[in-house]
Amino acid sequence: DAKTTQPNSMESNEEEPVHLPCNHSTISGTDYIHWYRQLPSQGPEYVIHGLTSNVNNRMASLAIAEDRKSSTLILHRATLRDAAVYYCILRDSNSGYALNFGKGTSLLVTP
Amino acid sequence: NAGVTQTPKFQVLKTGQSMTLQCAQDMNHEYMSWYRQDPGMGLRLIHYSVGAGITDQGEVPNGYNVSRSTTEDFPLRLLSAAPSQTSVYFCASSYLQGNEKLFFGSGTQLSVL
Repeated sequence: DAKTTQPNSMESNEEEPVHLPCNHSTISGTDYIHWYRQLPSQGPEYVIHGLTSNVNNRMASLAIAEDRKSSTLILHRATLRDAAVYYCILRDSNSGYALNFGKGTSLLVTP
Repeated sequence: NAGVTQTPKFQVLKTGQSMTLQCAQDMNHEYMSWYRQDPGMGLRLIHYSVGAGITDQGEVPNGYNVSRSTTEDFPLRLLSAAPSQTSVYFCASSYLQGNEKLFFGSGTQLSVL
């Protein structure tokens, strides 16, 4: 099963861009790359997802490497409310099967 | 539109007791799943379903049973609770296509004494 690898923690200053990396070297052709975040004492919430092309939405941007073995979630201007654990997961488009989330990256945002 | 609703929010059990965690969604999602999250850990998949009458195991299915008799509901049953099942449980749902986002419930905090 394809797995993802993320740094345990990262730190950013408020109003600066944040680049959260994710490695997924065993990704298959039918896997979509999803990002979720989890605020303290809450369930995960969707951030963004993509297959091959870079994606933008109101929350973030997703940059996908050409070989799809890595991706980067970009928060353009971090706010204190962006402090959360960010998870990168792979979701199989055939079965809908979503694997374990791993430990994710804990993002600390300082004023 | 309530989204994904989990009940109860908190539960304390004694070892050996049984109980059912409820999960309901009102978005007509085909895919539903259960995760557990232990302190300082990520979410691990317990069971999932791609439609009524169809269920399958995730990474940590032992000690848990599921069934899917309707599209809306996906209950998780603990037949004989153990302290190792103390955790926060999350239910998630989505449309079946793998490129659709997951919607999560707010979680059930379960303690087994």
